Amino acid sequence: NAGVTQTPKFQVLKTGQSMTLQCAQDMNHNSMYWYRQDPGMGLRLIYYSASEGTTDKGEVPNGYNVSRLNKREFSLRLESAAPSQTSVYFCASTGGSGANVLTFGAGSRLTVL
Amino acid sequence: AQSVSQHNHHVILSEAASLELGCNYSYGGTVNLFWYVQYPGQHLQLLLKYFSGDPLVKGIKGFEAEFIKSKFSFNLRKPSVQWSDTAEYFCAPYTGFQKLVFGTGTRLLVSP
Repeated sequence: NAGVTQTPKFQVLKTGQSMTLQCAQDMNHNSMYWYRQDPGMGLRLIYYSASEGTTDKGEVPNGYNVSRLNKREFSLRLESAAPSQTSVYFCASTGGSGANVLTFGAGSRLTVL
Repeated sequence: AQSVSQHNHHVILSEAASLELGCNYSYGGTVNLFWYVQYPGQHLQLLLKYFSGDPLVKGIKGFEAEFIKSKFSFNLRKPSVQWSDTAEYFCAPYTGFQKLVFGTGTRLLVSP
């Protein structure tokens, strides 16, 4: 049981490049989330998907897009990366009997030069 | 909008010292409360949670937290910390709408 799997683990981009962070969960969870973690700022919600077919903005959605491809997968896309998007990104999911308890992926460290 | 405040950003303790990390949230309705922990180089994992019932909840590794509704607080405690408790701790109230709001975190360093 892998839980939440994120790829890639590390990525370096140049300003203006695009990329997609992939996230998949195998726990049959309904809700999935993308957070970014920056020093001294905790985790801030970028986007979330309460269920398959729906997505909503979180606290810091600007510069990002998401796709809930199916129940398992929730991707985060940076269309034109900026240095301010240098961060560690975490995908998480919740649902079922453990409602509201988040299971996190291992994180993706993104550096934008 | 709901918010959460963690008062201590950095805490340094010696082994066997007692720990209390403060957490206050602003939300007047029913709230579920969580503490998550992030050990160095690892992802976040659940430390403990409060949904209802006994306001004193116990989590993993000897941690506990007390929900005080009148103070909108959910402070984390441990009577005697160990070096392995060195980590960052996040308070997170869930107030509905499928969103969990995280505090800014408290970095705990326990010296042996």
